[in-house]
Amino acid sequence: GNSVTQMEGPVTLSEEAFLTINCTYTATGYPSLFWYVQYPGEGLQLLLKATKADDKGSNKGFEATYRKETTSFHLEKGSVQVSDSAVYFCALSNFGNEKLTFGTGTRLTIIP
Amino acid sequence: EAGVAQSPRYKIIEKRQSVAFWCNPISGHATLYWYQQILGQGPKLLIQFQNNGVVDDSQLPKDRFSAERLKGVDSTLKIQPAKLEDSAVYLCASSQGQGGYTFGSGTRLTVV
Repeated sequence: GNSVTQMEGPVTLSEEAFLTINCTYTATGYPSLFWYVQYPGEGLQLLLKATKADDKGSNKGFEATYRKETTSFHLEKGSVQVSDSAVYFCALSNFGNEKLTFGTGTRLTIIP
Repeated sequence: EAGVAQSPRYKIIEKRQSVAFWCNPISGHATLYWYQQILGQGPKLLIQFQNNGVVDDSQLPKDRFSAERLKGVDSTLKIQPAKLEDSAVYLCASSQGQGGYTFGSGTRLTVV
């Protein structure tokens, strides 16, 4: 079955530091990959996605590249801000079935 | 565009009581999902509707959980009787295809 493994948190960084949150997956076929973000007190929001190998998803300075050879979809940002403090979830879905399989989430805290 | 509406926002009940959650998806979204997010874990799909038909309810504990989507629009998720381990955030989401999910803010259930 499908599964997503995320880097365990919590992660605490200083403002303007470089961020990497690791995500690897197991799936049949060629899944679509997603990063969702959950700010305190809010619902899940789609941050970025990639639908095929070597695609790069990007949004708000965050990037992730779909690496089929390493079954990975690591999230990166070059310079984090306090406002990036949130919980980040890696997820996948199989083509033709939109059910999302989520990782356990990584709590990110950015300190000024 | 209005988002996915959920109510109530918070609910506290005693074990063995019953509870119901309501979700109104984005207008025109044919697919509706209920996810359970236990503290410290990623969301897990409980049930997926396509219009008013069930597509996937394999993870729904059917001895105590039930869900319906009458007329293919809004949906109700019920738990009867509740157990302590049902304490979680219940997320509703809707989509119109290919990962175009929108999540509601969720209902936080505490069973005491």
